[in-house]
Amino acid sequence: KAGVTQTPRYLIKTRGQQVTLSCSPISGHRSVSWYQQTPGQGLQFLFEYFSETQRNKGNFPGRFSGRQFSNSRSEMNVSTLELGDSALYLCASSSGWGATGELFFGEGSRLTVL
Amino acid sequence: ELKVEQNPLFLSMQEGKNYTIYCNYSTTSDRLYWYRQDPGKSLESLFVLLSNGAVKQEGRLMASLDTKARLSTLHITAAVHDLSATYFCAVDNTGNQFYFGTGTSLTVIP
Repeated sequence: KAGVTQTPRYLIKTRGQQVTLSCSPISGHRSVSWYQQTPGQGLQFLFEYFSETQRNKGNFPGRFSGRQFSNSRSEMNVSTLELGDSALYLCASSSGWGATGELFFGEGSRLTVL
Repeated sequence: ELKVEQNPLFLSMQEGKNYTIYCNYSTTSDRLYWYRQDPGKSLESLFVLLSNGAVKQEGRLMASLDTKARLSTLHITAAVHDLSATYFCAVDNTGNQFYFGTGTSLTVIP
């Protein structure tokens, strides 16, 4: 079955702009989480949604927001972009049930802020 | 906050050799995951370890978990070039919030 799909794969923005990233989870998965990956900070948790509800939020400013739709697709938004927001943004899905908790990651959206 | 430390950060090894990557974490957790990342690519799940003493093997890689010592190891046997990648361990803080290690960049030299 199809994996986690993220769009767009690459984008370039300038400071002050905003960006919206999209994620379609594996069919049947109801949990979607987002991670930011940078060379300096590594992989950091942004937030996690399950059945349209945010269950967890990482330590990021309010400029970072997200939502999940009834079909489990998710979007994250970053407003007033800063240079430091340049990163690979990874979406991951899981079933949200059962014992394994394994996350399946998409290919990521690489954001460059100029 | 849960801390996850990996060592070494960089590992250069010759083909055919064995080596172990270590992953220590700071608080109690029974779930530990290993991922592989190739340059410019996403994270590929390698192992899911869900209990103390769990051991999983796939090809030349074997992972183990000691929850009492808060330690997981990823052992590489007879390394081959295809194993060159960055390896991450991650601990689940319940609620699908993963804490990732810093990663170990592995280069296998012919």
